[in-house]
Amino acid sequence: GAGVSQTPSNKVTEKGKYVELRCDPISGHTALYWYRQSLGQGPEFLIYFQGTGAADDSGLPNDRFFAVRPEGSVSTLKIQRTERGDSAVYLCASSLRGGDSYEQYFGPGTRLTVT
Amino acid sequence: GENVEQHPSTLSVQEGDSAVIKCTYSDSASNYFPWYKQELGKGPQLIIDIRSNVGEKKDQRIAVTLNKTAKHFSLHITETQPEDSAVYFCAATYTGNQFYFGTGTSLTVIP
Repeated sequence: GAGVSQTPSNKVTEKGKYVELRCDPISGHTALYWYRQSLGQGPEFLIYFQGTGAADDSGLPNDRFFAVRPEGSVSTLKIQRTERGDSAVYLCASSLRGGDSYEQYFGPGTRLTVT
Repeated sequence: GENVEQHPSTLSVQEGDSAVIKCTYSDSASNYFPWYKQELGKGPQLIIDIRSNVGEKKDQRIAVTLNKTAKHFSLHITETQPEDSAVYFCAATYTGNQFYFGTGTSLTVIP
């Protein structure tokens, strides 16, 4: 079946601009995660959705970052007033959370470059 | 919060040899420990996982061991093949909400 997809695959923007990154999870997966991965580092947790609500947004670095999942499926990560330090690969993962099932399936990521 | 450390950062082995990657974690409440393989330009792919009520799990050439007392877990790859070359990440979680990742191990299998 289809895996997690993310669009765009690459995004180049100027400092100060607004960007939106989209994630389409695996159908039926209730849990959705956003991570940020800098070069040579492991993924860094940003936010976790269970259904439509953000169950844990403690990883968002500041109020320029915001994410939504209005219908419990597709999610959008929004970054306002982008800074060069926001440049990274943004990864999305989904999971069929039930009982103690924690298995995550990752998308290919969106590479964001802020110039 | 949880802190996961991973060693080594790079590892080169001859084809057919074994590779071992080790991770330690700080939060004794962590109860799920997945391992991911990431190839260039792709997202991490789950290859094996272990829960805190199990000491060892094996899947063909891949095995993971967990020592809860020492708070460390290891990935073992036997009979390595060139296609095993990739970056491997360990992770830990106790809620399934936040996952804490290690810094990665770049494995190179030399033919």
